[in-house]
Amino acid sequence: EDQVTQSPEALRLQEGESSSLNCSYTVSGLRGLFWYRQDPGKGPEFLFTLYSAGEEKEKERLKATLTKKESFLHITAPKPEDSATYLCAVQAGGTGGFKTIFGAGTRLFVKA
Amino acid sequence: EAGVVQSPRYKIIEKKQPVAFWCNPISGHNTLYWYRQNLGQGPELLIRYENEEAVDDSQLPKDRFSAERLKGVDSTLKIQPAELGDSAVYLCASSRADTQYFGPGTRLTVL
Repeated sequence: EDQVTQSPEALRLQEGESSSLNCSYTVSGLRGLFWYRQDPGKGPEFLFTLYSAGEEKEKERLKATLTKKESFLHITAPKPEDSATYLCAVQAGGTGGFKTIFGAGTRLFVKA
Repeated sequence: EAGVVQSPRYKIIEKKQPVAFWCNPISGHNTLYWYRQNLGQGPELLIRYENEEAVDDSQLPKDRFSAERLKGVDSTLKIQPAELGDSAVYLCASSRADTQYFGPGTRLTVL
């Protein structure tokens, strides 16, 4: 069964304390892996797309990496404004069509 | 570029009443998605459109949910009748390629 699991469920950091969020997946025919940020009361906001193992993307304090079984979202020297829920989504499928599966998210709290 | 527009933002109804949500995707995006997101969980796909055609509605509870995307632009998702368990945030997203862009969602509360 296709599955996307994010860990930890919640993460509390002090400002400047770097850490990583994990997204592990079991799918057939990975087409892409996506990271989103979601603030309370808002829709998910696109961050990164990764397509193949070994690929890395960076944006400000965030860096996403991908292996054949999991992806990491590294947060370097986080600030309180980085507090949000981070969602991982996997798009999988073949020529007959594709599907998108989201993980439950990691809630990040960054304290000043 | 304007983002995905959804309305209403909030809706409170009593069970057994009908409700409808509207979505206008980003201009030029042929693919439109409706998701449901329960508290503390990730979005779950209800239906995906490629232009006017519903190409994946396997997770749509067809006994009470319906959707349409006339003319391949904006879309409406309807629930009739609503049940208590339908309380959730209903998200619309659109894409031109792989990356999906989301609207702000409609928070539905069924009493």
